[in-house]
Amino acid sequence: QKEVEQNSGPLSVPEGAIASLNCTYSDRGSQSFFWYRQYSGKSPELIMFIYSNGDKEDGRFTAQLNKASQYVSLLIRDSQPSDSATYLCAVNTDKLIFGTGTRLQVFP
Amino acid sequence: DVKVTQSSRYLVKRTGEKVFLECVQDMDHENMFWYRQDPGLGLRLIYFSYDVKMKEKGDIPEGYSVSREKKERFSLILESASTNQTSMYLCASSPLRGYSYNEQFFGPGTRLTVL
Repeated sequence: QKEVEQNSGPLSVPEGAIASLNCTYSDRGSQSFFWYRQYSGKSPELIMFIYSNGDKEDGRFTAQLNKASQYVSLLIRDSQPSDSATYLCAVNTDKLIFGTGTRLQVFP
Repeated sequence: DVKVTQSSRYLVKRTGEKVFLECVQDMDHENMFWYRQDPGLGLRLIYFSYDVKMKEKGDIPEGYSVSREKKERFSLILESASTNQTSMYLCASSPLRGYSYNEQFFGPGTRLTVL
């Protein structure tokens, strides 16, 4: 079992819709969780992190964490074509473990 | 803003050459990392360093070495480049463990092609 799992996608959503990206992890001792956005040919860019159960909102982005179920999700409201990218989930145990990413496509 | 820079965006080398990839960060971060990223395999940790002159192996250290002589600089060395080392190489830095949540900030990446 992979330590951090993401559906590779692509996830296709229309402009203006909510995009929901999910990530599950195996280590119950994980303390903090990160979402990175990576445009094609570019390096990952940190969007937000979360460390407590519940929701954390930052603009159009909301991270959701459920430690009991070992999943973390990222919601993108009012999706824009410029949100089209690969989204990497990363989980901190004693080091940062990255998922392989979900490719999001937002079509006009 | 954290700034992590890498010496080259694109690099083409021949099999057997010794290759140096340089990374510099300007935020006084203690931790620095080298990853490679390949399609379908995601980010794989090669080496990391928590302090000057200190290094630890990541998940795929074979064929690589590192050097950290100054806090802001972390170098990745391919002792004898091979075609299977063709990849995107990403450097990252993060502040001290225990005082942060270990978020890492990435440089722009070096796309290395070994012929």
